[in-house]
Amino acid sequence: QKEVEQNSGPLSVPEGAIASLNCTYSDRGSQSFFWYRQYSGKSPELIMSIYSNGDKEDGRFTAQLNKASQYVSLLIRDSQPSDSATYLCAVNIRNAGNMLTFGGGTRLMVKP
Amino acid sequence: EAGVAQSPRYKIIEKRQSVAFWCNPISGHATLYWYQQILGQGPKLLIQFQNNGVVDDSQLPKDRFSAERLKGVDSTLKIQPAKLEDSAVYLCASSLGRGQGGANVLTFGAGSRLTVL
Repeated sequence: QKEVEQNSGPLSVPEGAIASLNCTYSDRGSQSFFWYRQYSGKSPELIMSIYSNGDKEDGRFTAQLNKASQYVSLLIRDSQPSDSATYLCAVNIRNAGNMLTFGGGTRLMVKP
Repeated sequence: EAGVAQSPRYKIIEKRQSVAFWCNPISGHATLYWYQQILGQGPKLLIQFQNNGVVDDSQLPKDRFSAERLKGVDSTLKIQPAKLEDSAVYLCASSLGRGQGGANVLTFGAGSRLTVL
């Protein structure tokens, strides 16, 4: 089992819709969770962090964390073509020295 | 503030040759990371430095990869000899320190794209 798993996609949504991106992780002791956005040919940039169970909202982005289910998600409301990118989930793996481990990423395509 | 600087941006070499990548982190960032990102995959941590000491290098192929961070500022990652499977983007990242929950918030450089022929 991979430590951080994501569906590779592509996830295709129409402009204006809600995009839902999911991530599962294996280490029950993990406490820090991040979503990075990576445009093609560019480096990852942090868009959200979440540390407690529940929802965290920032503009059009909402991160959701459920530690009991070892599940973290990212919702993008009113999706825009400029949101088309690969979204990387990153989790600190405590039994690996708190190493920040990335999933393989989900490619999102927002169609006008 | 200036971002994480990396060079060269692109490098093409033949297998068995050597290559070196350089990284200068954000000023004041104590922690520096080198990640390898193969096309279509997420970044994989190769090595993590705290100041000039190694925190984690468990995934660094030490028979061919080496990294150093002299004086606790900039860092060099070297590959010798290179293999075809080393073709990837090498991302350097830095962080100020330990964030909430025990993990660091990373800022990435633009990356160095290596092609091994």
